[in-house]
Amino acid sequence: SQTIHQWPATLVQPVGSPLSLECTVEGTSNPNLYWYRQAAGRGLQLLFYSVGIGQISSEVPQNLSASRPQDRQFILSSKKLLLSDSGFYLCAWDYASGRSDEQYFGPGTRLTVT
Amino acid sequence: AQSVTQLDSHVSVSEGTPVLLRCNYSSSYSPSLFWYVQHPNKGLQLLLKYTSAATLVKGINGFEAEFKKSETSFHLTKPSAHMSDAAEYFCVVSDRGYGQNFVFGPGTRLSVLP
Repeated sequence: SQTIHQWPATLVQPVGSPLSLECTVEGTSNPNLYWYRQAAGRGLQLLFYSVGIGQISSEVPQNLSASRPQDRQFILSSKKLLLSDSGFYLCAWDYASGRSDEQYFGPGTRLTVT
Repeated sequence: AQSVTQLDSHVSVSEGTPVLLRCNYSSSYSPSLFWYVQHPNKGLQLLLKYTSAATLVKGINGFEAEFKKSETSFHLTKPSAHMSDAAEYFCVVSDRGYGQNFVFGPGTRLSVLP
């Protein structure tokens, strides 16, 4: 069966510090991968998605970047955090187009920037 | 462009009474529609999905939703609320089912009173 992991579960970082959040998927190959952010009291905003190693698409201009160094690894980064980067970050995966249209979500990372 | 409207940001029901969470969408194509549930500080779990088969869709935990094209609606219902149903619910629309096209509604918080 497939599983998706995210870490850390919670993170408190000062403004201006770097960020690295990691997401890994097990039990499947060549998944599409997604990073979402959920601000307090709001829906989910798609930040990045990837259809393959080294292929990253950004949905909104921002202070964050993403990388996919391996097939089932997706990393969200920032060089200098802003207060507005606080939120709940969710990683998700789905099968490559044509097989399934359901997304599977990780447990999330709660980021607080102080 | 796609969009999703969840008409109620907060719904409160008594345990054992019916639940109705409303969702309206707009889409240029034949959409796929989903309902996800999120318990506090957790990832999202799929409740049910519509992908152009039967218009009445049954999901997990006794939830169901009916796709009404003429009303562009996909309301979520449950005959009898349980305390464990208290959570945030997201309606999602996707053109042709591609994950990159997932658009999340703002969410409805369901409270269940004893």
